[in-house]
Amino acid sequence: AQSVAQPEDQVNVAEGNPLTVKCTYSVSGNPYLFWYVQYPNRGLQFLLKYITGDNLVKGSYGFEAEFNKSQTSFHLKKPSALVSDSALYFCAAAKGTGFQKLVFGTGTRLLVSP
Amino acid sequence: DAGITQSPRHKVTETGTPVTLRCHQTENHRYMYWYRQDPGHGLRLIHYSYGVKDTDKGEVSDGYSVSRSKTEDFLLTLESATSSQTSVYFCAISLGEAGGNEQYFGPGTRLTVT
Repeated sequence: AQSVAQPEDQVNVAEGNPLTVKCTYSVSGNPYLFWYVQYPNRGLQFLLKYITGDNLVKGSYGFEAEFNKSQTSFHLKKPSALVSDSALYFCAAAKGTGFQKLVFGTGTRLLVSP
Repeated sequence: DAGITQSPRHKVTETGTPVTLRCHQTENHRYMYWYRQDPGHGLRLIHYSYGVKDTDKGEVSDGYSVSRSKTEDFLLTLESATSSQTSVYFCAISLGEAGGNEQYFGPGTRLTVT
């Protein structure tokens, strides 16, 4: 069965510092991988996705993610964090074939301090 | 936000009563989903639809039913609400069947079962 793990419940980083939010996945075959962000009392917003090709994927708001097949990871990164990046981040995975049913991780709360 | 609305946005109901949540989209997307969000679980798929009158179960479908009589509306019904169904419910759409299509989420419905 597919699964996604986000090992950190919370990540704390100072504004201006680089940030990393970790995600590992277990999907048979080639995975499709996604990152979503959720601000308080809002629905999830799509940030970026990996389908195929370049292992470094760039997305919205200056975020990027690196796909590492050997480590089955898809970590979210940003070179310089902003206070406004504080939110709940979800990693999700789908099988590379067939109808898309996403499996989500449990979420990581990012707190960026001024 | 892909033109997705959910109603009601908040609801408090008593154990044993039926509850129907509505998801409405304005852009004629074929694929629609219902998720629930709970702390420590991330988002879990309840049911999904791949067309009018075409629906299928997700991973946590027990106690829930859905209907889709029009492309734009996807209804989620709790036949007899229980306290374990207290949650935040999100509707989503995707732009296509292929696994590489990201999903877009509505604003959510916060349901409390007392």
